Amino acid sequence: KQEVTQIPAALSVPEGENLVLNCSFTDSAIYNLQWFRQDPGKGLTSLLLIQSSQREQTSGRLNASLDKSSGRSTLYIAASQPGDSATYLCAVFSGNTGKLIFGQGTTLQVKP
Amino acid sequence: DGGITQSPKYLFRKEGQNVTLSCEQNLNHDAMYWYRQDPGQGLRLIYYSQIVNDFQKGDIAEGYSVSREKKESFPLTVTSAQKNPTAFYLCASSARSTASRRAYEQYFGPGTRLTVT
Repeated sequence: KQEVTQIPAALSVPEGENLVLNCSFTDSAIYNLQWFRQDPGKGLTSLLLIQSSQREQTSGRLNASLDKSSGRSTLYIAASQPGDSATYLCAVFSGNTGKLIFGQGTTLQVKP
Repeated sequence: DGGITQSPKYLFRKEGQNVTLSCEQNLNHDAMYWYRQDPGQGLRLIYYSQIVNDFQKGDIAEGYSVSREKKESFPLTVTSAQKNPTAFYLCASSARSTASRRAYEQYFGPGTRLTVT
């Protein structure tokens, strides 16, 4: 059974810092991996999608990497801003089950 | 604008009543999903549908029912059999065609917060 773990559960950093959020998964037979952002009381916004054949994706200040063999992904946020404060969720999609399995999320606070 | 709409945003019901949550998408996606989010528990899959007139149970389907009569609509009914219905409910959709680089990328609606007293 696929399990997704995100570390740390919470993170507080001063504005301007570069930071890394970690995601690990137990079954490497994934179709893709998605990183989402969720603001309090809101739905999820897709940030980056990495297909299983890809190693990384970039969007603006965000860079996500994928290492299927070790079951790990990282989300790198450059030059963090207070507006980046949110919960970040990692999820892996298995083509076999048709399901997206989520981690518990990392809640990020960027202080001005 | 393409997207997913959920209504209402907030819903209040008395215990013992069934309630239906709406989810509509105009993204022309084949697959649709319902998740439940509780504090400290992450997102859990309730039901999903990969094609019209077909759907499968997720991990926590007991006490819920769905229908998929139209491609763009996937309503969720929370029945009186659901023991703890108070939660934040999220609907999502995705394209299925593997010809697309965005295949199976899930897009989420804004959510419905259901409170049952």
